[in-house]
Amino acid sequence: AQSVTQLDSHVSVSEGTPVLLRCNYSSSYSPSLFWYVQHPNKGLQLLLKYTSAATLVKGINGFEAEFKKSETSFHLTKPSAHMSDAAEYFCVVKQSDSWGKLQFGAGTQVVVTP
Amino acid sequence: EAGVTQFPSHSVIEKGQTVTLRCDPISGHDNLYWYRRVMGKEIKFLLHFVKESKQDESGMPNNRFLAERTGGTYSTLKVQPAELEDSGVYFCASSPPGTIPFYEQYFGPGTRLTVT
Repeated sequence: AQSVTQLDSHVSVSEGTPVLLRCNYSSSYSPSLFWYVQHPNKGLQLLLKYTSAATLVKGINGFEAEFKKSETSFHLTKPSAHMSDAAEYFCVVKQSDSWGKLQFGAGTQVVVTP
Repeated sequence: EAGVTQFPSHSVIEKGQTVTLRCDPISGHDNLYWYRRVMGKEIKFLLHFVKESKQDESGMPNNRFLAERTGGTYSTLKVQPAELEDSGVYFCASSPPGTIPFYEQYFGPGTRLTVT
């Protein structure tokens, strides 16, 4: 069985400061991991994905995530938050024995203050 | 190129009524997925079409939900009769043909369903 745990339901950061969104997963097999973002009234957009290549994955808009197998973590970071980063972020696992079924974490709401 | 579109954006119906949600995937995408997020819960997988065939419908909650994809183009998700617990946001996603490499799923904006 696989599961995804996002450790923070809400994160508040000041503009220009680093962002850290934490995600832990459990998986019986080598997982594929993703971060999606949803801005208000928009669809989910892929930020980045890990599919067993480099453990440090760079995504769009300055985000990156590091796959740490020993810690079963896939935390998302950004060095400097921008106001436009305010959104909900989802850590997602693709089951290795499934064609395309995605399993979502509960989401982390990010608030950016001036 | 148009993205995944969903219609309607918002639907309010009474318990016991029927609602049909529609999803138009990106042109050429054989894979089409339905997910939903009920209040306070995670986004959950409902089912997966490959062209017009149901590849995986393990997430369908019960037989009040019927998904179709005639001709392998757009898809509909019908809820009949609707119950209060069906309220939530229903997302559709699509991805190109094949599984290797794994293609990202492109999501639509969702349909917010409110059952009163």
